[in-house]
Amino acid sequence: SQKIEQNSEALNIQEGKTATLTCNYTNYSPAYLQWYRQDPGRGPVFLLLIRENEKEKRKERLKVTFDTTLKQSLFHITASQPADSATYLCALPNNNAGNMLTFGGGTRLMVKP
Amino acid sequence: DTGVSQDPRHKITKRGQNVTFRCDPISEHNRLYWYRQTLGQGPEFLTYFQNEAQLEKSRLLSDRFSAERPKGSFSTLEIQRTEQGDSAMYLCASSPPRGTGYTFGSGTRLTVV
Repeated sequence: SQKIEQNSEALNIQEGKTATLTCNYTNYSPAYLQWYRQDPGRGPVFLLLIRENEKEKRKERLKVTFDTTLKQSLFHITASQPADSATYLCALPNNNAGNMLTFGGGTRLMVKP
Repeated sequence: DTGVSQDPRHKITKRGQNVTFRCDPISEHNRLYWYRQTLGQGPEFLTYFQNEAQLEKSRLLSDRFSAERPKGSFSTLEIQRTEQGDSAMYLCASSPPRGTGYTFGSGTRLTVV
């Protein structure tokens, strides 16, 4: 199964700056990788999926990259806002069948006005 | 369809009691998942259903835990003889057959006293 590492320390940035979060994984390279947002006391909310043959994917102010050589994904939020403050989780399929996801521990982002 | 519903939102129980949680997935989704999350950690996989068939179970799911999905619709997760270590947020998610991300419910927070 996959082991996923996300920075457990909170990331504090100033409003308007770009936030960059890192997700590293070991073992086999997955067919895709997903990012979720989680607010306190709520379930995770799906944000983006990037496939192994895609280097980069964008959605509004979000950008995700996927480097299968480095076994790493970067998640960027441009022009960050206080409302972006949350925990961000990356997730990968647990096996080649891709039946369920393994989640990282998440990185908490705090955007200060 | 209002998304994935979980009931109850909160449950406080005494050690040794049995508890049952319910999850109503999005009706078009044939895949249903149960995860457990403790504070500061990412969700941990417990079990996965495709329609009514329980296809995978984590080793985390001891014999005190049982899950069902009769008729491939709603699902229940039962914990027998609860222990303090069972205190966590129990999350249910669903996805379509060849879906992208999961849709999570808001979770059931269990506190065992």
